[in-house]
Amino acid sequence: KAGVTQTPRYLIKTRGQQVTLSCSPISGHRSVSWYQQTPGQGLQFLFEYFSETQRNKGNFPGRFSGRQFSNSRSEMNVSTLELGDSALYLCASSSFIGVYGYTFGSGTRLTVV
Amino acid sequence: QKEVEQNSGPLSVPEGAIASLNCTYSDRGSQSFFWYRQYSGKSPELIMFIYSNGDKEDGRFTAQLNKASQYVSLLIRDSQPSDSATYLCAVKKPGAGSYQLTFGKGTKLSVIP
Repeated sequence: KAGVTQTPRYLIKTRGQQVTLSCSPISGHRSVSWYQQTPGQGLQFLFEYFSETQRNKGNFPGRFSGRQFSNSRSEMNVSTLELGDSALYLCASSSFIGVYGYTFGSGTRLTVV
Repeated sequence: QKEVEQNSGPLSVPEGAIASLNCTYSDRGSQSFFWYRQYSGKSPELIMFIYSNGDKEDGRFTAQLNKASQYVSLLIRDSQPSDSATYLCAVKKPGAGSYQLTFGKGTKLSVIP
């Protein structure tokens, strides 16, 4: 069974640019969550989607957005990149119930220069 | 008060010893608790989840939950050098349909051969 697939694995962008990250959940998983991980702040919740609807959003500026498609694949977008957006962005998927925790993808390492 | 707190470590234990990792949480309504292991440069991997007060054992790992005291712990018996990693405690926010996890910043465990 394939795991959570995130693309690309690495990205280098310039301040002011925008970026789109992609996540394909485990087959059959309908819940997709995104997290940002930095050495200083740890893992911080960005947003969660279920059946194409955003159900929760973390405390991030509006430059961070996302969406989920009918096949449960999800994308997140960061506009007007800042140096502080450099981080590992992790996607996690869960079954409908979600009580058994989440499976994380390998992440996308974003570097803003 | 931080929502989920962990001692950042590093926690060093000799090979074969018991490693004890602790986590406290602030939201008394929290009901689901997870332990993730994260090797350097890798994404978090779910080790265990626990919902009920008491102990839950899985191989060398035992999760303990005390809702009255708002803490959850992870014991690793017969610690191996391969257990050296950062251990993340995660709490599922209460609320129907909410699958958001709040993570502690993790405890770095080092098992000395």
